[in-house]
Amino acid sequence: GENVEQHPSTLSVQEGDSAVIKCTYSDSASNYFPWYKQELGKGPQLIIDIRSNVGEKKDQRIAVTLNKTAKHFSLHITETQPEDSAVYFCAASMGSARQLTFGSGTQLTVLP
Amino acid sequence: NAGVTQTPKFRVLKTGQSMTLLCAQDMNHEYMYWYRQDPGMGLRLIHYSVGEGTTAKGEVPDGYNVSRLKKQNFLLGLESAAPSQTSVYFCASTSGGTSAANEQFFGPGTRLTVL
Repeated sequence: GENVEQHPSTLSVQEGDSAVIKCTYSDSASNYFPWYKQELGKGPQLIIDIRSNVGEKKDQRIAVTLNKTAKHFSLHITETQPEDSAVYFCAASMGSARQLTFGSGTQLTVLP
Repeated sequence: NAGVTQTPKFRVLKTGQSMTLLCAQDMNHEYMYWYRQDPGMGLRLIHYSVGEGTTAKGEVPDGYNVSRLKKQNFLLGLESAAPSQTSVYFCASTSGGTSAANEQFFGPGTRLTVL
């Protein structure tokens, strides 16, 4: 089955700096790559996603890049703010049932 | 729209007891999923359903059963709880079928402790 690895497990940045989280996946059949943000005590919430036919996608301060050849994708957050502090999960999906395989998560802390 | 709701929010069981977790969605989604979240391990898929009356095993199905008798509800059962099933359980749903949309919407979670 699919295996998704995520790095780093913790990341601290100063407010206003950029944050980058990286993930690799194992199955070349995966075709959908979402990123979720999880705040303490809540369920994960989608912040951005990308399909395998696209190399980059941007939404305001958040961007995702995908390298299909190398089987890795990254989340970029610019101009970080304290409210960006949360756990971020990458995931990969394939198949008609659209099951997600998640990375192990990154605890992002934005220091004021 | 309430989205995805889960009942109960918290529960403490003794080893060997049984319980059922209820997930409900009001978005008319075809596909529903149950995940468990353990520290440092992300979310792992337990079981899923691609439509009313259908269920399938995910990555970690042992010790759990599910049922999807109504489209809007997906039940997760623990017949004989074990301490290893202490976890936070999340339900999710997505459009599925011929829809191109992939986003899975998650519920708020159920925190289960098995003593």
